[in-house]
Amino acid sequence: QVQLQESGPGLVKPSQTLSLTCTVSGGSISSGSYYWSWIRQPAGKGLEWIGRVQTSGSTDYNPSLKSRVTISVDTSKNHFSLHLSSVTAADTAVYYCARWWSRSYYFDYWGQGNLVTVSP
Amino acid sequence: QSALTQPRSVSGSPGQSVAISCTATSSDVGSYNYVSWYQHRPGKAPKLVIYDVSKRPSGVPDRFSGSKSGNTASLTISGLQAEDEADYYCSSYAGTWVFGGGTKLTVL
Repeated sequence: QVQLQESGPGLVKPSQTLSLTCTVSGGSISSGSYYWSWIRQPAGKGLEWIGRVQTSGSTDYNPSLKSRVTISVDTSKNHFSLHLSSVTAADTAVYYCARWWSRSYYFDYWGQGNLVTVSP
Repeated sequence: QSALTQPRSVSGSPGQSVAISCTATSSDVGSYNYVSWYQHRPGKAPKLVIYDVSKRPSGVPDRFSGSKSGNTASLTISGLQAEDEADYYCSSYAGTWVFGGGTKLTVL
């Protein structure tokens, strides 16, 4: 059973970079053809897809966040990471990582989420 | 504002059926057959319950069903059980991912 677990600071100061890691267990991040994604949910609002990475290093980002987002993968550690720069209070949200099979259009596994608050 | 519109809440008694709608504000849902639904209980990881409009992943009870008509997709849960109480989100892929705002299902 594949499991995803987010980790990282729960508090980030405005203008700094938010960094989170998603560790994959129960299988190799390199097996199969998957897109490893980040999704977020601000309090009281809907979900927003941030972007995805393949183990080849190929990435795709939400155009609204593209200028500030970097998603990378480390196959040796079986994890992938999110970096969101120049954060503001509007970036306060629960951040989820999720798996998306490249030949499908759904997320079959998700992490439990990591609340990140942007505050001085 | 989400690109997919869902009712904020629905409710039903055990054994009843409820339907949750997901209406596209543009062609996000109407033109594609890639609508998925997720069940999210507090503190848990979201769980896929329907994909490709009406397909059920292995292990999801057949009480969960999905459909689409025009620009509105629907998730129907029949024979409601207490464990179905959760937030439900729809999603669609239209070149990028769009999600609904979520619907809180209360089992009375």
